Amino acid sequence: AQSVSQHNHHVILSEAASLELGCNYSYGGTVNLFWYVQYPGQHLQLLLKYFSGDPLVKGIKGFEAEFIKSKFSFNLRKPSVQWSDTAEYFCAVNAPGNTGKLIFGQGTTLQVKP
Amino acid sequence: GAGVSQSPSNKVTEKGKDVELRCDPISGHTALYWYRQSLGQGLEFLIYFQGNSAPDKSGLPSDRFSAERTGGSVSTLTIQRTQQEDSAVYLCASSTSGGGDTQYFGPGTRLTVL
Repeated sequence: AQSVSQHNHHVILSEAASLELGCNYSYGGTVNLFWYVQYPGQHLQLLLKYFSGDPLVKGIKGFEAEFIKSKFSFNLRKPSVQWSDTAEYFCAVNAPGNTGKLIFGQGTTLQVKP
Repeated sequence: GAGVSQSPSNKVTEKGKDVELRCDPISGHTALYWYRQSLGQGLEFLIYFQGNSAPDKSGLPSDRFSAERTGGSVSTLTIQRTQQEDSAVYLCASSTSGGGDTQYFGPGTRLTVL
């Protein structure tokens, strides 16, 4: 069965620090990969996604993620975080032909101190 | 345009009662998903509807859970004989079609079973 692992459960950073959140998945075939974000009191929303092509994907608000197939990883990065990036971040996988359901990681809570 | 809406936003019920949760997807989206978000289990897939195809019910945790989608639009998730472990936030998402399309999430229904 597919699974998604997020290694950092709770991350605390100061503003302007760089961010990298790890995500690994277990599935041997082609996958679609997503990062969703949930700001306090708001809906889950898409940050970025990878389907094919350039493995470095850019998303909203300066976030990017790199798909490394050999490592089954899709880590999220941001060079300089802001207080407004405080949120919970979820990595998710969807295997094509798998009805579209998303398998989510456990989530990482990011707290950015001003 | 209007996003995914869910009602009620909060539901408190007594153990053993039945509850119905409603989801209105984005107009024109043929795919609809239900997920559950709880402290211990993270975000779990429950069920997926796509057009007139048979739904993917593989994530429903027990036969107390059922869902229907009428007219290809509104969906209702029903939990019979609720248990305390059913307490969670129930999220609905919709997408243009199935597969790996971006899923747009609603605000969720917070269910508390006393």
